Amino acid sequence: DAGVIQSPRHEVTEMGQEVTLRCKPISGHDYLFWYRQTMMRGLELLIYFNNNVPIDDSGMPEDRFSAKMPNASFSTLKIQPSEPRDSAVYFCASSLMGTTNEKLFFGSGTQLSVL
Amino acid sequence: GNSVTQMEGPVTLSEEAFLTINCTYTATGYPSLFWYVQYPGEGLQLLLKATKADDKGSNKGFEATYRKETTSFHLEKGSVQVSDSAVYFCALRNSGNTPLVFGKGTRLSVIA
Repeated sequence: DAGVIQSPRHEVTEMGQEVTLRCKPISGHDYLFWYRQTMMRGLELLIYFNNNVPIDDSGMPEDRFSAKMPNASFSTLKIQPSEPRDSAVYFCASSLMGTTNEKLFFGSGTQLSVL
Repeated sequence: GNSVTQMEGPVTLSEEAFLTINCTYTATGYPSLFWYVQYPGEGLQLLLKATKADDKGSNKGFEATYRKETTSFHLEKGSVQVSDSAVYFCALRNSGNTPLVFGKGTRLSVIA
């Protein structure tokens, strides 16, 4: 299996622009997680899905952030409009059998820079 | 609530030195504990885990023992290598259907 695939690997955009990050989880996994990593806050859970349904989005910073999972093999995280404080590395991760399977598989992340 | 506290880095060691990265946790119930490692430019990957008190997780020469009395899960390695340079994350998952809670990570640099 190719593992969790994220795109783009790097994104540089200007403040106010819309940003869309993409994730393809490992085939057969039923949970998908979006995390944000910064120096100040470390690794933060933004939202997670079970069988394509959002379970907990309490970590989403504000209404500018939204996430969708239209099918089992694809998810997006959108920021509209983007702001410089959104600059971070965004990770997608997936797992099988939910969080009772205690191993997460992470993608390589998207490095987002908002100027 | 549930939380994980790790020693702040960066930690810089010479090759073959002994490594300890401290991790303590706060949790209700009986959590499972983990160490994840992030190599440069990559996502996190599971290094080791322990699911109950006094269990010892081990992998690639790294070890950590689940100490319920001190609520700790310190990571140790007897002789580090340059290839161990990475960011190490302590994490917990409480009983029940909850996601992992991560610490802030500790950056380790090993110099030859």
